[in-house]
Amino acid sequence: NAGVTQTPKFQVLKTGQSMTLQCAQDMNHEYMSWYRQDPGMGLRLIHYSVGAGITDQGEVPNGYNVSRSTTEDFPLRLLSAAPSQTSVYFCASSKPGLAGGGNIQYFGAGTRLSVL
Amino acid sequence: SQKIEQNSEALNIQEGKTATLTCNYTNYSPAYLQWYRQDPGRGPVFLLLIRENEKEKRKERLKVTFDTTLKQSLFHITASQPADSATYLCALGPTSGTYKYIFGTGTRLKVLA
Repeated sequence: NAGVTQTPKFQVLKTGQSMTLQCAQDMNHEYMSWYRQDPGMGLRLIHYSVGAGITDQGEVPNGYNVSRSTTEDFPLRLLSAAPSQTSVYFCASSKPGLAGGGNIQYFGAGTRLSVL
Repeated sequence: SQKIEQNSEALNIQEGKTATLTCNYTNYSPAYLQWYRQDPGRGPVFLLLIRENEKEKRKERLKVTFDTTLKQSLFHITASQPADSATYLCALGPTSGTYKYIFGTGTRLKVLA
């Protein structure tokens, strides 16, 4: 199993450009999430999904869109990139019921995004 | 608002000693508390989970305690090794009615040979 795969690993954008960060998992996990990690801020939840066709907002959803058409994929779209979106983005997946309900999260390697 | 605090200063300890990391939280009653390890340039990796009705959990050289009265978790690494050097994150959740977890900022541990 590859686990959680994120692409690209690095990306540089200009202000106003749009792009999609890809996330795929091969563990048949129902839950998937997107986080951003900034120095001194920890991991902050952007959007999450509890199954195909179901998404919800996290703590910092503004400027980002998500959709979940399949169990495996959960892309994150930046509509109009801003310098404040410079960050490291992590995708995670989990399966309810693992570890007795604790929802252990499996993370991808991250996408490092710079917006100039 | 819900808040998690981990010591933002790096913790340096000598090889062989026990490392103790702290996770404090406020305005929250989590059902689960998790600890993750994160190496530079990589995503977090799950280490241990403890439930609200458990006081202590062990796994090999790792031990986690959970005091819901103090709203604090302690994470211990015994007989520490240089390979244990990493950033350790605590996460609490899920928030009521959701599956959301809140992560701390992490504490960087450096084990000196």
